[in-house]
Amino acid sequence: EDKVVQSPLSLVVHEGDTVTLNCSYEVTNFRSLLWYKQEKKAPTFLFMLTSSGIEKKSGRLSSILDKKELFSILNITATQTGDSAIYLCAAGGISNFGNEKLTFGTGTRLTIIP
Amino acid sequence: KAGVTQTPRYLIKTRGQQVTLSCSPISGHRSVSWYQQTPGQGLQFLFEYFSETQRNKGNFPGRFSGRQFSNSRSEMNVSTLELGDSALYLCASSLASGGTGELFFGEGSRLTVL
Repeated sequence: EDKVVQSPLSLVVHEGDTVTLNCSYEVTNFRSLLWYKQEKKAPTFLFMLTSSGIEKKSGRLSSILDKKELFSILNITATQTGDSAIYLCAAGGISNFGNEKLTFGTGTRLTIIP
Repeated sequence: KAGVTQTPRYLIKTRGQQVTLSCSPISGHRSVSWYQQTPGQGLQFLFEYFSETQRNKGNFPGRFSGRQFSNSRSEMNVSTLELGDSALYLCASSLASGGTGELFFGEGSRLTVL
């Protein structure tokens, strides 16, 4: 069965710190790795990664994928209180139906203390 | 462009009842996926519909069902509610079927079963 594991489950840091969130996956016929940010209700898209070793950046956030080790990390530098959220990792693969589907991890709850 | 709209936002039911949740995707999106989110389990995939056809199905009992209409709006139904069905039900839409790409989430329907 497809599996995505995120660590840590929760993290509390001070504003200005740098954090690294981890995501490991076991997915049949892997296609992509996605990161989402969930502040209140609706998760919002951050990154999609399909190639190993190519870093994607958006402001203070960056992410990289290692397809050999089945692993991705999400880095946030100079954290701000607005970064407080649940960060979800999802891996896309081919389902038993022969169609693509996403498997989500349980998320990392990040809390930034002012 | 309007986002994904879910109704109702909150509802309370008692065990044994049934519930119907609605999701209107972003205009032009033909794929609608449903997820159940609970604190311990994260986002669990329920099913995906594309052009009125169920393309993927998660590991949920038959009490959980769904459908999609010709205008891409989708409904999910849960019959004979159990306490464990209390959760946030999220709907997500995308242009193409699958979901190894970016999903756009609604704000969810919070179901409480008493």
